[in-house]
Amino acid sequence: DTAVSQTPKYLVTQMGNDKSIKCEQNLGHDTMYWYKQDSKKFLKIMFSYNNKELIINETVPNRFSPKSPDKAHLNLHINSLELGDSAVYFCASSLGGVNIQYFGAGTRLSVL
Amino acid sequence: SQQGEEDPQALSIQEGENATMNCSYKTSINNLQWYRQNSGRGLVHLILIRSNEREKHSGRLRVTLDTSKKSSSLLITASRAADTASYFCATDARETSGSRLTFGEGTQLTVNP
Repeated sequence: DTAVSQTPKYLVTQMGNDKSIKCEQNLGHDTMYWYKQDSKKFLKIMFSYNNKELIINETVPNRFSPKSPDKAHLNLHINSLELGDSAVYFCASSLGGVNIQYFGAGTRLSVL
Repeated sequence: SQQGEEDPQALSIQEGENATMNCSYKTSINNLQWYRQNSGRGLVHLILIRSNEREKHSGRLRVTLDTSKKSSSLLITASRAADTASYFCATDARETSGSRLTFGEGTQLTVNP
């Protein structure tokens, strides 16, 4: 069973469109994250939720809105997509305390 | 400012050789972790070393931590072609304990058969 699964794996879309990426974890973790990895492989945290509560909200355009319906799910909605949004987006989860993170396989977003 | 700067950025070795990657960071930490990322995949946790530990082993991996120099190294012994991947260090900083990891820029390791 996949521990952290995110869909879709690939997303190709036009500028100006709105898209969503879904993430689910079956590890029983209480904290979930969204990261953006650019073309140079630099991994930058975007958001973190703990038990459905937003605890990290980095300097991210407000076109990006996370939603956590329950502690096993953290979705990312992006409005008015721009060329610079093209990247790989990773979802991760962890259990409070030691903070070892488990990553999904990533969603490669290409904005044309 | 970004924690976790790694060097080298890229490393190419032959199978059987050892690979050493270094990581430097800026703030006080609770622990430092190393992750591996295979091409097109997510990151996978390899090993964690706490701030009061100096060395840790796991199979062919050896991690050292020098908190006075704010640096860590990851040694992979007897490398294999399957070790080809990007390796990232990540710090769990004291001031944000448990709430976030800050990742370095990664070292791309290529192990040639």
